[in-house]
Amino acid sequence: QQQVKQSPQSLIVQKGGIPIINCAYENTAFDYFPWYQQFPGKGPALLIAIRPDVSEKKEGRFTISFNKSAKQFSLHIMDSQPGDSATYFCAASRANDYKLSFGAGTTVTVRA
Amino acid sequence: DSGVTQTPKHLITATGQRVTLRCSPRSGDLSVYWYQQSLDQGLQFLIHYYNGEERAKGNILERFSAQQFPDLHSELNLSSLELGDSALYFCASKGQTSLGGNTIYFGEGSWLTVV
Repeated sequence: QQQVKQSPQSLIVQKGGIPIINCAYENTAFDYFPWYQQFPGKGPALLIAIRPDVSEKKEGRFTISFNKSAKQFSLHIMDSQPGDSATYFCAASRANDYKLSFGAGTTVTVRA
Repeated sequence: DSGVTQTPKHLITATGQRVTLRCSPRSGDLSVYWYQQSLDQGLQFLIHYYNGEERAKGNILERFSAQQFPDLHSELNLSSLELGDSALYFCASKGQTSLGGNTIYFGEGSWLTVV
């Protein structure tokens, strides 16, 4: 069973647009929520992560919003650039084991 | 560069064969995680080792096994290979971020094609 559900499967935006990727989880024991970026032929690279004691975290042009009561979190890419075109994965785990459950991934295409 | 090293990068083998994938975690990291990425199953956790001991198992088939050696490198052994085992296999290690927390760092993966 998929413990983390991610949507949409893909999206296309123009340069400067704001792609938004949404994830939902069921296991209330999860307390670590990272986002990974993956380029073709490469391993997933950590982008940004959040813990449930905060509702929002920003790192550069990437922002995570977290809603603990709804068990949902999302990634916003501000002022998106063609170089942001990649597959993005949300994930969740308990912080004491880091056994990550991944979402299915979202392929983002930013058109120049 | 995550600092996690995996070999080989690509491997083509026949059904029924056995292969070994190797991983060296980041310097100083004691944990090694193995993940499988396939088109139909996505990224799936296989197994976790910490300082030579198995800590957790995920969706790992009985035909697959892993171990972590005293020098902390790890090997994932895949036997009686089937076409469906074709996938990208990632190794990851847990270490501190520049902000002080822990996170998982992934290697670049080993592409396995079973023909």
